[in-house]
Amino acid sequence: DAKTTQPPSMDCAEGRAANLPCNHSTISGNEYVYWYRQIHSQGPQYIIHGLKNNETNEMASLIITEDRKSSTLILPHATLRDTAVYYCILRWGWVKAAGNKLTFGGGTRVLVKP
Amino acid sequence: EAQVTQNPRYLITVTGKKLTVTCSQNMNHEYMSWYRQDPGLGLRQIYYSMNVEVTDKGDVPEGYKVSRKEKRNFPLILESPSPNQTSLYFCASSLRDRDLGEQFFGPGTRLTVL
Repeated sequence: DAKTTQPPSMDCAEGRAANLPCNHSTISGNEYVYWYRQIHSQGPQYIIHGLKNNETNEMASLIITEDRKSSTLILPHATLRDTAVYYCILRWGWVKAAGNKLTFGGGTRVLVKP
Repeated sequence: EAQVTQNPRYLITVTGKKLTVTCSQNMNHEYMSWYRQDPGLGLRQIYYSMNVEVTDKGDVPEGYKVSRKEKRNFPLILESPSPNQTSLYFCASSLRDRDLGEQFFGPGTRLTVL
């Protein structure tokens, strides 16, 4: 799987949108972008994923640039409970190429402040 | 409620005393996996199972055993625990191999081996 680069930490204000960047300049054509988060010492939680198009669900929006070299996870109205480490993960859509696990990098530690 | 449960959530034990950490999911998922999380090392896969009676080693299987006799359960067995197995353990599941990008994680088991 291609490598991702995320800022180690960022702060955001409660009630404001949180924009979390992820660079993946070596992404391959069939690699999906997945986002997970881990609230302190809890199990990681799946948020959203996409291939080319922007995606939105009840938790967040995912914006993928046209060249797919970077993406942004948007938490539209951050709350204190969104304080967590957010992971951007690439994964092949082909089962055999994808392997049998998720590979978590360092992630971005997001602190939502009142 | 769809969930992955782990027991116990916390365990302090001594070197050499066999223990089992249970994992159960109620979503009829085919794939299940165990990860351990250590500071600075991220999440590392221990074992995984693609279906009943099908298990395979992950990245750090030494000192661990697993079994998958039923679809819903995937216990992690430490036959002779050692202090280097002190860690935070997570069980995860997903519907099938093509859905491994979307994994459901359990709440974690914090194990201390003295």
